[in-house]
Amino acid sequence: NAGVTQTPKFQVLKTGQSMTLQCAQDMNHNSMYWYRQDPGMGLRLIYYSASEGTTDKGEVPNGYNVSRLNKREFSLRLESAAPSQTSVYFCASREGSANTGELFFGEGSRLTVL
Amino acid sequence: QKEVEQDPGPLSVPEGAIVSLNCTYSNSAFQYFMWYRQYSRKGPELLMYTYSSGNKEDGRFTAQVDKSSKYISLFIRDSQPSDSATYLCAMRRPNFGNEKLTFGTGTRLTIIP
Repeated sequence: NAGVTQTPKFQVLKTGQSMTLQCAQDMNHNSMYWYRQDPGMGLRLIYYSASEGTTDKGEVPNGYNVSRLNKREFSLRLESAAPSQTSVYFCASREGSANTGELFFGEGSRLTVL
Repeated sequence: QKEVEQDPGPLSVPEGAIVSLNCTYSNSAFQYFMWYRQYSRKGPELLMYTYSSGNKEDGRFTAQVDKSSKYISLFIRDSQPSDSATYLCAMRRPNFGNEKLTFGTGTRLTIIP
């Protein structure tokens, strides 16, 4: 059982380049999330999808777009990368209710923007 | 001021010691409290979950919530080298905006054999 799978694991971009981070989960969860993790800032929510066909902004959505392709897959796109987007990105999915459901995280995608 | 404050450490203790990890928060509306453990180069995984005030025990781990002081703790008894990780506290208001979970910055813990 793979859980949450993210690709790529590492990426280096130049300022202005675009890229898409892919995420897939095999746990049949309805909700999926994209977080970024920066030193001293903790995990911050970029976008989430409560169910297939819906997406909503989180705390730090600027510079990102998302697509919930189907129930399994949720992608994050950087249209024009900036050095401030250098971070570790985590995809997560959730079982259960919004209040109590456990988040399951992928292993992260480490992005450097030069 | 951040909604959730957590000492980043690093914290180093000898094997077998009792470890205490803490978070303070400013928003009294938080009702659901969680501790996630994150090993190096991995994603966080849920360790403990507590609703409102009180204690919850699971093996060597005890989570404690004091809502009057806006303070939560995670205690690890008989600490093992495998407990070396970063511990993130997280909390949520009930039924708020569907999805907002606020994380602390994490405390990096090393257990010395």
